[in-house]
Amino acid sequence: QQQVKQSPQSLIVQKGGISIINCAYENTAFDYFPWYQQFPGKGPALLIAIRPDVSEKKEGRFTISFNKSAKQFSLHIMDSQPGDSATYFCAASMNSGGSNYKLTFGKGTLLTVNP
Amino acid sequence: DTAVSQTPKYLVTQMGNDKSIKCEQNLGHDTMYWYKQDSKKFLKIMFSYNNKELIINETVPNRFSPKSPDKAHLNLHINSLELGDSAVYFCASSRVYEQYFGPGTRLTVT
Repeated sequence: QQQVKQSPQSLIVQKGGISIINCAYENTAFDYFPWYQQFPGKGPALLIAIRPDVSEKKEGRFTISFNKSAKQFSLHIMDSQPGDSATYFCAASMNSGGSNYKLTFGKGTLLTVNP
Repeated sequence: DTAVSQTPKYLVTQMGNDKSIKCEQNLGHDTMYWYKQDSKKFLKIMFSYNNKELIINETVPNRFSPKSPDKAHLNLHINSLELGDSAVYFCASSRVYEQYFGPGTRLTVT
């Protein structure tokens, strides 16, 4: 059972364009939704995150939109740059006791930004 | 001043061998995790430790045994390695929600 569904699997965008990646979740116990960026040969790096009591969060060129009723959230990358080319993962987190938070990841989106 | 570090970065070994991967974090976090990333890049949690106590143990074969000597270290020992264990293994740490990942260890079993 895949609890976090991510689309598209791959995305090609021209430099300066907007990249949009979508995720949907099933379990309403999730209470924290981060996005991670991973370059080849590197570990996932926390990019931006949102709590379900907020509908939008913006950090620089990166924005998360969150729709609690639809159980969907998305990442928008404005003015996409070739340096943004990477694999992006959405995730959902729930508390598993004490300060432990179990992350469930989507399958990832390979973003390519053409110059 | 690396936040989460892992050694080794690459590990090539034969089936049936036993190997260990080490992880250290200097962020002062209480919780550490091991994740496995398969050939399709799917990331899945394996274990979680909080203050040296095992909290999360997903459906991982008991050939995998995590060990936390102290809050800053979480090692992963794998017995009787199999071809299917080939993957990239990531260590992560967190204080509350935000998890920070190490650079990964690429394990290749031949």
